[in-house]
Amino acid sequence: AQSVTQLGSHVSVSEGALVLLRCNYSSSVPPYLFWYVQYPNQGLQLLLKYTSAATLVKGINGFEAEFKKSETSFHLTKPSAHMSDAAEYFCAVSDLNTGFQKLVFGTGTRLLVSP
Amino acid sequence: KAGVTQTPRYLIKTRGQQVTLSCSPISGHRSVSWYQQTPGQGLQFLFEYFSETQRNKGNFPGRFSGRQFSNSRSEMNVSTLELGDSALYLCASSLEGQGSTNYGYTFGSGTRLTVV
Repeated sequence: AQSVTQLGSHVSVSEGALVLLRCNYSSSVPPYLFWYVQYPNQGLQLLLKYTSAATLVKGINGFEAEFKKSETSFHLTKPSAHMSDAAEYFCAVSDLNTGFQKLVFGTGTRLLVSP
Repeated sequence: KAGVTQTPRYLIKTRGQQVTLSCSPISGHRSVSWYQQTPGQGLQFLFEYFSETQRNKGNFPGRFSGRQFSNSRSEMNVSTLELGDSALYLCASSLEGQGSTNYGYTFGSGTRLTVV
């Protein structure tokens, strides 16, 4: 069965520092991978997605992620953190076996940004 | 372009009652999915509808059901509410249900259900 592991329930960075949120997936077939962000009392906003095209994916708000099949990883990065990036981030996977409609989410990483 | 609209935003129900939540997808989107989000279990897939047909279902008891109308609007129903059903229920819609460059779900802001 597919699964997603997000290392670190909380990540703290200073404003202007590099943001790195880790995501490892498990899937027996080529996956689709996603990063979503959730602000308090809000739904999920799609940051970026990998759907078997380019392995380096650029998203909104300066975020990007690289699909590495050999490492089964899809880590999210941003060169310079901004205070407005403080939120919870979710990695998700879907594939043909379980249906692309079904997203399996990781447990989330809360990003804290200090001035 | 209007986003995914979920109503109501907040709901308080008593144990044993039933509840119906509504979701209006983005215009033109035919796939609608529902998720439950709780602090303990995280985000869990409930079911997905495409053109009024349920195509995929998560591991939830039969008390959780849904449907989709011809205009792609969707409702989910929970009968015989339990305290553990307290959660944020998120609806998401997509232009395509599977495999395309347009693929990707847009989520609504959710309905927060509290069962007392």
